[in-house]
Amino acid sequence: AQTVTQSQPEMSVQEAETVTLSCTYDTSESDYYLFWYKQPPSRQMILVIRQEAYKQQNATENRFSVNFQKAAKSFSLKISDSQLGDAAMYFCAYRRTAGNKLTFGGGTRVLVKP
Amino acid sequence: EPEVTQTPSHQVTQMGQEVILRCVPISNHLYFYWYRQILGQKVEFLVSFYNNEISEKSEIFDDQFSVERPDGSNFTLKIRSTKLEDSAMYFCASSGGDNYGYTFGSGTRLTVV
Repeated sequence: AQTVTQSQPEMSVQEAETVTLSCTYDTSESDYYLFWYKQPPSRQMILVIRQEAYKQQNATENRFSVNFQKAAKSFSLKISDSQLGDAAMYFCAYRRTAGNKLTFGGGTRVLVKP
Repeated sequence: EPEVTQTPSHQVTQMGQEVILRCVPISNHLYFYWYRQILGQKVEFLVSFYNNEISEKSEIFDDQFSVERPDGSNFTLKIRSTKLEDSAMYFCASSGGDNYGYTFGSGTRLTVV
């Protein structure tokens, strides 16, 4: 069974600085997809960024970027120029192929200090 | 932008009562899911639904749970006899079956008293 591990329960960052969230996963599949979701206090799940395992290039979405290390099964999220609105829980998630379930990590709470 | 709509946003029910949580997925999506999140814990998969039948379910999804897509637009989760431990946030999600992530609804907070 696939597992997703986020080892940092909470991370704190100064506004305008950079924070990196860790995620590791376990799978025997070669094709899969990885995601980062943001959950603000409203508890809505918002897709931040996604990565296809077959792509070597790391995904980037504005201030959010990932460091995907397939051999190490590592998928970290970097938030640059942190803003107060970035404060939320962040979940790493894995999915085998299209249509399959998402498996989530335990989450990392990001606090942004003004 | 298309949305997944869930109702109600909050439901309080007595232990042992039946509850139905409702979802309207994005209209051209093919895959539908229910997840739950007990307060402070991770998001857990309950069930996936495709082509009018359950395609996968977790061990949480026991005989007390059922899903239905009664009219081609709504997607419901029924809990027959609620327990205190069913108190959680329940998320509906849908996917077009492509390589993108899912679209989640805003959730129903279920409180069993």
